[in-house]
Amino acid sequence: NAGVTQTPKFQVLKTGQSMTLQCAQDMNHNSMYWYRQDPGMGLRLIYYSASEGTTDKGEVPNGYNVSRSTTEDFPLRLLSAAPSQTSVYFCAIRRDRDTGELFFGEGSRLTVL
Amino acid sequence: QKEVEQNSGPLSVPEGAIASLNCTYSDRGSQSFFWYRQYSGKSPELIMSIYSNGDKEDGRFTAQLNKASQYVSLLIRDSQPSDSATYLCADHNTGFQKLVFGTGTRLLVSP
Repeated sequence: NAGVTQTPKFQVLKTGQSMTLQCAQDMNHNSMYWYRQDPGMGLRLIYYSASEGTTDKGEVPNGYNVSRSTTEDFPLRLLSAAPSQTSVYFCAIRRDRDTGELFFGEGSRLTVL
Repeated sequence: QKEVEQNSGPLSVPEGAIASLNCTYSDRGSQSFFWYRQYSGKSPELIMSIYSNGDKEDGRFTAQLNKASQYVSLLIRDSQPSDSATYLCADHNTGFQKLVFGTGTRLLVSP
């Protein structure tokens, strides 16, 4: 998964705490995505960014915020953590601008107590 | 109704057999489709993409696309225990510039 780096890999939060999941890429791709994966639910899109300075909501954006101030970084912020946000979070880049092929980071496993 | 539907499985096949994984989609405008493999605790990795009707072969893998019937399938020939994983089907929603994933089918290949 060299090219897309997610930190931290594991995190435990208490309800109401805030935190930021970091995603950094060194492949100079425009499009970046945040997905969450829950058992039986597949991968669901939280937010995506088509390029530096732009962001758009996906399927499940509530409780999250993002920014894209550089091409390399696409942080995901949890504003006030809830147990329903316990999940595995994947950041991805779109490697081919003409198709939808995504390349994923290793994931961040978040537990909210 | 989810836009991309998959049977969650598990699909159990013996080593050396053909594993057949299926996926249906609802967006008639979808143009490209992908199969990702995800080992337990790991991130999804792309194994096949298909853009036009018919079959596409890559080694032991064959992807099949039927746009009229809105289904995509993945055949794995000579299945190996190392193929045991969850297989995610995805279609590219060009309008929203995003991939829509199915829930995945868990494949178990027994020695």
